[in-house]
Amino acid sequence: GAVVSQHPSWVICKSGTSVKIECRSLDFQATTMFWYRQFPKQSLMLMATSNEGSKATYEQGVEKDKFLINHASLTLSTLTVTSAHPEDSSFYICSARGRSEHEQYFGPGTRLTVT
Amino acid sequence: GQNIDQPTEMTATEGAIVQINCTYQTSGFNGLFWYQQHAGEAPTFLSYNVLDGLEEKGRFSSFLSRSKGYSYLLLKELQMKDSASYLCAVSGGNYQLIWGAGTKLIIKP
Repeated sequence: GAVVSQHPSWVICKSGTSVKIECRSLDFQATTMFWYRQFPKQSLMLMATSNEGSKATYEQGVEKDKFLINHASLTLSTLTVTSAHPEDSSFYICSARGRSEHEQYFGPGTRLTVT
Repeated sequence: GQNIDQPTEMTATEGAIVQINCTYQTSGFNGLFWYQQHAGEAPTFLSYNVLDGLEEKGRFSSFLSRSKGYSYLLLKELQMKDSASYLCAVSGGNYQLIWGAGTKLIIKP
C-alpha cells in the first residue's frame, strides 16, 4: 500500500510557458502533501506544504505566484510552474502523508527541463 | 535553530559493514527517518525510529538515542546496489520533516 504517483515523469518546456505536475495518492487519503525540489547533487529542498482544502504554506524564498499549488482533494495535489525559466529546471518530488501517519510516501519525481 | 548533520560522503567495500551517523538538534521530536535515494530517483523509505534503541530490518539496522540527539544507519554485507545517498530526516514538533543533506555512499568492489 501507500503508493504515490506523479505525472508527468519528465517534461521539456519552452521558457515563458507554464507546466502542471500532478501528484496522486493511489491507495490512501493524503491529508498533507509536500512538494520538494532537488537540484543535481544537492539535497531535497521543501518548497511548500499543502493540506486538503486549504492554502499551501510556502517555505521562505519560494515564490507563491510562480509555484501554484492546489490540493483540491484528499488524493490529488498539483504544482504549476508559471512562466518557467531555465533556472527552474530541476527534479520536483511530491510526498504524501495520511492522517495518522508519521511517514511521508514519495512519488517517483518529475524532471523538468526548461529550454 | 534546527540542524541535522551527517557526513557528506563515505566509501566502503563490497561485503563489508558501514555505519552512517546522523546528529540532530530540533525543536520537538516525533521520530527519525532514514531514506535511500539513488541518483535520479525519489527517496525510498528505509526505517523509522521514535524510541531509543536498535531497529533491525534485514541487512539494514537503525539506532536512535534521543538524549544524545544521535542516530546511525548500519548497512551489513554491502552490495554494489547499495551505492546511493542516505538521507536522515527528523519529524519535528509540527510533524514536518527536517532533512539532512544526505550521505553519498560509494561501494567499491
